[in-house]
Amino acid sequence: DADVTQTPRNRITKTGKRIMLECSQTKGHDRMYWYRQDPGLGLRLIYYSFDVKDINKGEISDGYSVSRQAQAKFSLSLESAIPNQTALYFCATSDNNRDRANYGYTFGSGTRLTVV
Amino acid sequence: AQKVTQAQTEISVVEKEDVTLDCVYETRDTTYYLFWYKQPPSGELVFLIRRNSFDEQNEISGRYSWNFQKSTSSFNFTITASQVVDSAVYFCALSEGFSGGYNKLIFGAGTRLAVHP
Repeated sequence: DADVTQTPRNRITKTGKRIMLECSQTKGHDRMYWYRQDPGLGLRLIYYSFDVKDINKGEISDGYSVSRQAQAKFSLSLESAIPNQTALYFCATSDNNRDRANYGYTFGSGTRLTVV
Repeated sequence: AQKVTQAQTEISVVEKEDVTLDCVYETRDTTYYLFWYKQPPSGELVFLIRRNSFDEQNEISGRYSWNFQKSTSSFNFTITASQVVDSAVYFCALSEGFSGGYNKLIFGAGTRLAVHP
């Protein structure tokens, strides 16, 4: 099983619908992140969480909300999806000990979301 | 504020050519980490290297090499004798030091590399 699992892998939804993207991890990491990727813009940070009680907005949080249900689970919601939220979404985790692993971050395989 | 600039949007080379991908970063922290990732057409992110701000040694791994220069805030990536399998989008990223752990990771816009036979 993957260390960071994102569900669904692909989703097509209609404008105005509420949708949740889920992320679960088996790394035991405290820190989790949600990014979105658009062509030519790289990955931009939506929200991040350093522990279950700590949620922080990233650079593009408008239109999104998150829930950290447990150390291992971090969900991203689009309350009312719009077409410009069509993108590839990545969940990631990181260790709170920088010396423990040189790779630093573990990424999920991504969720490709299309809003029509 | 932290920022990563990858000025090259797309690069096209012929197989066996050497190619350098540029990365310039901005940070006010003295402790930070720099990363390179590869994103092949399948879409996943593949970790290539991490470098911390206190280690300016260049690194070579097979056909890949990295040149870290704090004086110019650059962390460039060179592929020697490129191959078709190197075709991908490459991202440079920066994480500022915070509370001992990895902080949020900020990405550049990426460079799309196309290697032609």
